[in-house]
Amino acid sequence: GENVEQHPSTLSVQEGDSAVIKCTYSDSASNYFPWYKQELGKRPQLIIDIRSNVGEKKDQRIAVTLNKTAKHFSLHITETQPEDSAVYFCAASINQGGKLIFGQGTELSVKP
Amino acid sequence: DGGITQSPKYLFRKEGQNVTLSCEQNLNHDAMYWYRQDPGQGLRLIYYSQIVNDFQKGDIAEGYSVSREKKESFPLTVTSAQKNPTAFYLCASSEQGQETQYFGPGTRLLVL
Repeated sequence: GENVEQHPSTLSVQEGDSAVIKCTYSDSASNYFPWYKQELGKRPQLIIDIRSNVGEKKDQRIAVTLNKTAKHFSLHITETQPEDSAVYFCAASINQGGKLIFGQGTELSVKP
Repeated sequence: DGGITQSPKYLFRKEGQNVTLSCEQNLNHDAMYWYRQDPGQGLRLIYYSQIVNDFQKGDIAEGYSVSREKKESFPLTVTSAQKNPTAFYLCASSEQGQETQYFGPGTRLLVL
């Protein structure tokens, strides 16, 4: 079945620096890749997503890139702020029943 | 995601007891999902339902049961067969044919 690997598990950056989180997936049929942000004790919130017919998508300080050949996708956060501190999860879907397979999560800490 | 509610926020289970977690949505979404989240780990799919009166097992269905008698409700029962139930349980929903899932606030289950 589909497997999603996410790295790093923890990431610490200084405020204003960029942060990059990477995920790889195993099933080449995957065609939908969302990213969720989860603050401590809260629900995961969708922050950006990308479909397999697009290589890159941006939304203000957040961008996601997809390399279908290598089967990996990345989240880029520029000009990080302390409120960006949270756990970030990537996921992949084969668009069959809407099942999402999640990565293990990355705990991002942005130091002021 | 404000249209998805879960109750209770905290739930305590005694040895050998079955407990039921509630998930309700007023988004008119057809599909609903249950995930389990353990500390430092990603979300794992327990059960999902794409339509009323139908549901499928996810990756970790053993020790759990669900029902989908109404479109807006998808309760999860943690049975006594689930030997390690302590976790954060998240319910999600999505529109028919759409992969994007929106999460409820979660229920934290603890064993006494």
